[in-house]
This record gives sequence, C-alpha cells and structure tokens, in this order.
Amino acid sequence: QSALTQPASVSGSPGQSITISCTGSSSDVGTYDLVSWYQQHPGKAPKLMIYEGRKRPSGVSNRFSGSKSGNTASLTISGLQAEDEADYYCCSYAGSSSPYVFGTGTKVTVL
Amino acid sequence: EVQVVESGGGLVQPGGSLRLSCAASGFTFSRSWMNWVRQAPGKGLVWVSRINNDGSSTRYADSVKGRFTISRDNAKNTLYLQMNTLRAEDTALYYCVRDNLDYYAMDVWGQGTTVTVSS
Repeated sequence: QSALTQPASVSGSPGQSITISCTGSSSDVGTYDLVSWYQQHPGKAPKLMIYEGRKRPSGVSNRFSGSKSGNTASLTISGLQAEDEADYYCCSYAGSSSPYVFGTGTKVTVL
Repeated sequence: EVQVVESGGGLVQPGGSLRLSCAASGFTFSRSWMNWVRQAPGKGLVWVSRINNDGSSTRYADSVKGRFTISRDNAKNTLYLQMNTLRAEDTALYYCVRDNLDYYAMDVWGQGTTVTVSS
C-alpha cells in the first residue's frame, strides 16, 4: 500500500479557513467511506479528529469538518486558531488484508 | 481513565530482537482490536500491525511481514510486538493504538516507546 498524498504544508491567518487534501486510490479512499483524520502537536501522540470521513468524536470542535469526492478526502478547519498549528494526517481503511494506510502528513501553520 | 502505555523500547543492533509491550486500562481490552503504528524521526505515521480481539487474526505491513509478530494476553490486558531481524529503517517511535470498530478509526493512542536500531 502506498501512502496517501497530502500537501506538505498549508498556512492561514487566524479566523480564516483552510483545507487539507488527501488523495488515495480506488483501493482505499475511493472505495471506503472510512477516512479518519489525526492532529499531532510536536512531541505528542496523534489525536483522532474526524472519522468515517465527516463525523467528529465527542469533544472535537465543530470547526473541523471532513468531506470526500472520488479518491480525494479533505479536512477543513474554519475559524483558524493558534492552537490548530500542528501536523495533520489522513488515514483510510484499505481492506481486511492491509487495513490502514496513512497520508504523508501536512504541517499547518497559523500566520 | 482510558489509556494504553507502551514499554520495551531501546537501542538494539541491526539483526537483533526486541519485544514491545502495551498495558491497557480503563476499557474492555478483551473486546478491543489493537494496532501498532510507528513514526520514524521527523517522518509521518505508518501502520505496522493489527490484531483482533481474541488474537486469532493478525495483519502486517509488507515492510515488517515475516519479521514482526503481534500478540496479546487478554488476562493481563497487554499487547505485544515481537520484532526480529531489526533493520536501521525500523528505528521509530512505536505507538500502541486501539482500533474502534464502530468508527473504523484509531481512537486511543499511547505516548509511544522508542526503538533505535544502530551499531
């Protein structure tokens, strides 16, 4: 399984909205509506932010939203805040033989 | 509190072996599927292995297949990763992660244990 493709970096000013793309294939993102997104601050463990493409676990801000079109999933952060500065990874279910594939990761910078 | 705590990392020579452990608490471990995910220094997350709740089914990334073995002891609420024939490219922070089958996502992460393969 090849890693899903994400932009290396995305930046925005406080209050703005940004979108991170995650491009896979018909073997993963395109077939399964099972994309999750993780936020990782430096030196910390990843945190689940979005599951099943667009659902938020309890406690995650509604400023985070997910979507999918074809083989590409997206994470949008609206009302950007300084605390959102972190690395973000997408992850897709890819079938029972090799269940998970992560994205390459995106560094979000709040200007 | 729901948590998992990894241990067992360290410095090992190429070709050597190491066993990682992960102690789970605060949730019903015996009903939970579990994963190992690793992150090389300065790099991204990579899924390594997965085990079902009773240990009867395991999956591995191609990069570790035949060298790593995932297992569990439900009586001890503990997950393991036996790593053999270690290579420099196995150097990473190894995370123990709960697989939430309601979400098909990984929802409980430990802080990780560091494995360094070097002579």
